[in-house]
Amino acid sequence: AQKVTQAQTEISVVEKEDVTLDCVYETRDTTYYLFWYKQPPSGELVFLIRRNSFDEQNEISGRYSWNFQKSTSSFNFTITASQVVDSAVYFCALSETTTGNQFYFGTGTSLTVIP
Amino acid sequence: DAGVIQSPRHEVTEMGQEVTLRCKPISGHDYLFWYRQTMMRGLELLIYFNNNVPIDDSGMPEDRFSAKMPNASFSTLKIQPSEPRDSAVYFCASSLAVGRGVGYEQYFGPGTRLTVT
Repeated sequence: AQKVTQAQTEISVVEKEDVTLDCVYETRDTTYYLFWYKQPPSGELVFLIRRNSFDEQNEISGRYSWNFQKSTSSFNFTITASQVVDSAVYFCALSETTTGNQFYFGTGTSLTVIP
Repeated sequence: DAGVIQSPRHEVTEMGQEVTLRCKPISGHDYLFWYRQTMMRGLELLIYFNNNVPIDDSGMPEDRFSAKMPNASFSTLKIQPSEPRDSAVYFCASSLAVGRGVGYEQYFGPGTRLTVT
């Protein structure tokens, strides 16, 4: 079974619109870590954020914000006032303490921001 | 501080040839991972090492694939013989262990785009 589900395969928005990328995870561990990565057209994978299971505070970094809700096993990512440079594939990932540093990646959401 | 370094960045080879991909992790990192990315299968974990020791190689597709980490600053992924279905982008990543540092995230190299004709 998939440990990380990103149901949205592709999203297109017009520049300056807000967009939310969904991530749902599954684990039996009480201590775990969640991550978001960005893969722009150039191909590299860029780390965006890490959140541990004990910290449910939402985080904001510029136009990016993350909403972690253990009750729904979700870790959603919102881009406010999207820009063309936000066009990329975004991956959510889970790491469990019982499986060490191994990551379980979602299948990614391809975001296209139209100018 | 240098990130994860991979070489070559691009490799084109003929079916049946041996291919060696190289990776230098971030200095001080305890873990090293090899991934393969294709359109059909997405991002797949092939193998990972902790302190130079292979921990889990269950993702290695078949015996044609092998990986080594002779020291903390170098790892190789070898395909022998290569086949067209091995064409993909191969990423190397490294990370600290839980409790050792402020970061637990994996840092990825730029990838090696392999084309087998």
